Amino acid sequence: DIQMTQSPSSLSASVGDRVTVTCRASQSIINSLNWYQQKPGKAPNLLISTASNLQSGVPSRFSGSGSGTDFTLTITSLQPEDFATYYCQQTYHIPITFGGGTKVEIK
Amino acid sequence: EVQLVESGGGLVQPGGSLRLSCAASGFTFSTYWMSWVRQAPGKGLEWVANVKEDGSQNYYVDSVKGRFTISRDNAKNSLYLQMNSLRDEDTAVYYCARDKIEGTTTLDFWGQGTLVTVSS
Repeated sequence: DIQMTQSPSSLSASVGDRVTVTCRASQSIINSLNWYQQKPGKAPNLLISTASNLQSGVPSRFSGSGSGTDFTLTITSLQPEDFATYYCQQTYHIPITFGGGTKVEIK
Repeated sequence: EVQLVESGGGLVQPGGSLRLSCAASGFTFSTYWMSWVRQAPGKGLEWVANVKEDGSQNYYVDSVKGRFTISRDNAKNSLYLQMNSLRDEDTAVYYCARDKIEGTTTLDFWGQGTLVTVSS
């Protein structure tokens, strides 16, 4: 199975900060990497697909990059509604696997 | 508007069975792969299974193979997860989700989830 390792597992940031979350795959997954946002008690929401494709309706302050084994989710100018947990997901090989999550908290 | 509504969760004893359902609306259900994803209390996301548009292919995470069966009824716009031989570690919120891009498990719409608790 492909292991997905996210870092950090949690971070504290202030409104307006730039935030970077990283995701590393245990083998190359080309660009088969998605990012989701999940708020407490809610279902996940797809933010970015195939490493860098922003989904319709997702604010442009979110961006994704990377290929192979190393990927990044960046939030420029963090907003109050962005405090949530973020998950990466590889879709390169069955079983589909998710990273452990990164909780973005208010400083 | 795309809607996915899960049902069928509840409390079940270890070794028991449960059947989850997911009612889909607002899109042409028969043209999308569908998945089940679960989340244990306070934990991360775990993909469980997916099924092709016509039900002819399905895939599972190893931990549920031989115990869970994913299926669909396109005439009823419904997705199912039959769960047998349930274990404590199957306790989770179970989400059904639509695959945006055929067979890629890029999940663009999710239900609200249904809680399954396995406990004696």
